Amino acid sequence: GDSVTQMEGPVTLSEEAFLTINCTYTATGYPSLFWYVQYPGEGLQLLLKATKADDKGSNKGFEATYRKETTSFHLEKGSVQVSDSAVYFCALETSGSRLTFGEGTQLTVNP
Amino acid sequence: DVKVTQSSRYLVKRTGEKVFLECVQDMDHENMFWYRQDPGLGLRLIYFSYDVKMKEKGDIPEGYSVSREKKERFSLILESASTNQTSMYLCASYRTSGRAGEQFFGPGTRLTVL
Repeated sequence: GDSVTQMEGPVTLSEEAFLTINCTYTATGYPSLFWYVQYPGEGLQLLLKATKADDKGSNKGFEATYRKETTSFHLEKGSVQVSDSAVYFCALETSGSRLTFGEGTQLTVNP
Repeated sequence: DVKVTQSSRYLVKRTGEKVFLECVQDMDHENMFWYRQDPGLGLRLIYFSYDVKMKEKGDIPEGYSVSREKKERFSLILESASTNQTSMYLCASYRTSGRAGEQFFGPGTRLTVL
């Protein structure tokens, strides 16, 4: 079946550091890929998405590129802020609007 | 803005009680979902619904049921709560957007079963 694997957390960075959160997937067909973010005390919200190979999703300074050859969708940001502290979830959708989520990665950014 | 609301943020129940978790969305979305979120396990799909009175089992339906009598409301029912159902429960609705849509989440209900 479909599955998503994220790098183990938690991740702790200083403000303005470079961020990478790894995500790899296993799926039949050609899934769409997503990053969702969950701020403290809130539900998840969509951060970015990509629907086909080599697409790059971007939002709020975050980027991720759909790499079919390595089945990956790594999240990156060049300079993190304290306000980026949250849990990040990688997810895939193959059909019927169902999502399969990774385990989540807790990010803490210190001033 | 899409709004998904859940009836309670925190809930404490006793083992064996029947528990209802309510979710309401205000954007006329057809698809709605119930997940549970546990540390290290991410989100796991319990049930989902594509339309009124329709329901489909997700990955972990055991011990749960759902009800969708109106399009905007999707209820999760724990027929006889057990301690292993202590968790964060998240509801979502889905909007189609191009080739891939977007799920909109409520704030979650943290359920503790004693």
